[in-house]
This record gives sequence, C-alpha cells and structure tokens, in this order.
Amino acid sequence: EAGVVQSPRYKIIEKKQPVAFWCNPISGHNTLYWYRQNLGQGPELLIRYENEEAVDDSQLPKDRFSAERLKGVDSTLKIQPAELGDSAVYLCASSLDPQGGYTFGSGTRLTVV
Amino acid sequence: DAKTTQPPSMDCAEGRAANLPCNHSTISGNEYVYWYRQIHSQGPQYIIHGLKNNETNEMASLIITEDRKSSTLILPHATLRDTAVYYCIVRVANDYKLSFGAGTTVTVRA
Repeated sequence: EAGVVQSPRYKIIEKKQPVAFWCNPISGHNTLYWYRQNLGQGPELLIRYENEEAVDDSQLPKDRFSAERLKGVDSTLKIQPAELGDSAVYLCASSLDPQGGYTFGSGTRLTVV
Repeated sequence: DAKTTQPPSMDCAEGRAANLPCNHSTISGNEYVYWYRQIHSQGPQYIIHGLKNNETNEMASLIITEDRKSSTLILPHATLRDTAVYYCIVRVANDYKLSFGAGTTVTVRA
C-alpha cells in the first residue's frame, strides 16, 4: 500500500504568487482531509471531503484558499494569492471510516518569502 | 478549547518503557481517546485508540483510568526511532475532526 502521497514536498514562492498542492489518498478511502500545521503547533483542519463533496470547509479561508476533489479521488489545495502568514506544512490525510485512524501524507512545506 | 493536557516534553532511555500521560477530565461518555505521533518531517501517524477498556496493539498499549479522566500511552521498549511528538486527542466516534493540541515531545536517549 503506497500510503497517502503528496506533492511537492517543498515549495518556496514569493508573496502574492499562487501555489497548489496535490494529494492522492489511499485507494478506497472516501474521506479526505487537508490540514495546516504551523511551526511548533499541532495540525488544524482546513477542509474535509466525502467523495467529491466538501462536507466541512468551515476553517478554510475562502478569500484566498480553494480546494477540489474531482472524481472523488485526488485532491488539490490552492492558495491565491499567497501571504507570508501562509508559510506552514500542508498535510493531506484519508480515512475509511470515522472510528478508525487517519493516514497522513508527509506534507508539503510551504515557504512564502 | 483544549480537551486534553499533556506535559510539553519528556525523556526516555532506550530499551525502557515510556509512559506518556494525558489528562482529559472533561471527556464525555461517547468520546474516544486517540493517540497519534509525529516524527520530524513526517505527517502524524495513528497509534491506538480506546473508549474505556485498555487496548494493546503492535505499537503500544493504552491504559484508561476507570473514571476515564486520564490515560497513559505505554511504549514498551522505546527505541531511538520513537523520538517524536505524541498527541493525545479525544473525539466522538462518528466525528471526523481530529483536534490536535501541542502534544508531548518525547526524546529517546541511547
């Protein structure tokens, strides 16, 4: 089993530029999550998908962040335009059922300069 | 609002058992206790979860007090690769959201 795959692993961009992160969840996991982790803190949920439907995006800053999960498999998280405060690790996770554990990817470390 | 309280850091000797405490005094009857860990530069990794009975798997044991207000994660024979931040999380079984606190930074020393 390949696990949750994220790319790129690292990204450095200038402020006001757009950026996108990609996630491929574990096959068969209908639930997909995007989390953001600031330095020294625990991850915080941004958005949750059930198949292709975003069922919880209450923590997603919708003025500059967007996400999609076409066909209910891969997902993309986009920031446009990026701000200095967006520097963080963006983690994708997937799960099969709510009671079990999540499987996280290794994350994308974003640095905005 | 933090639902759990963990010590910010602890050291452990390689080969010895590591006992990681977590207080969750306001836990509800339908909330489970989950443990995750995060090794440097990796995403969090699920370890174990339980409701009220003690649980054991290939990674660790989870001991939950009878009143469920606290729990202990036990790594039976800590290795250097167990150095990580360990998160104790409480959540309702059918609630998908994981709310991470600051966790405990565990350093296993040779």
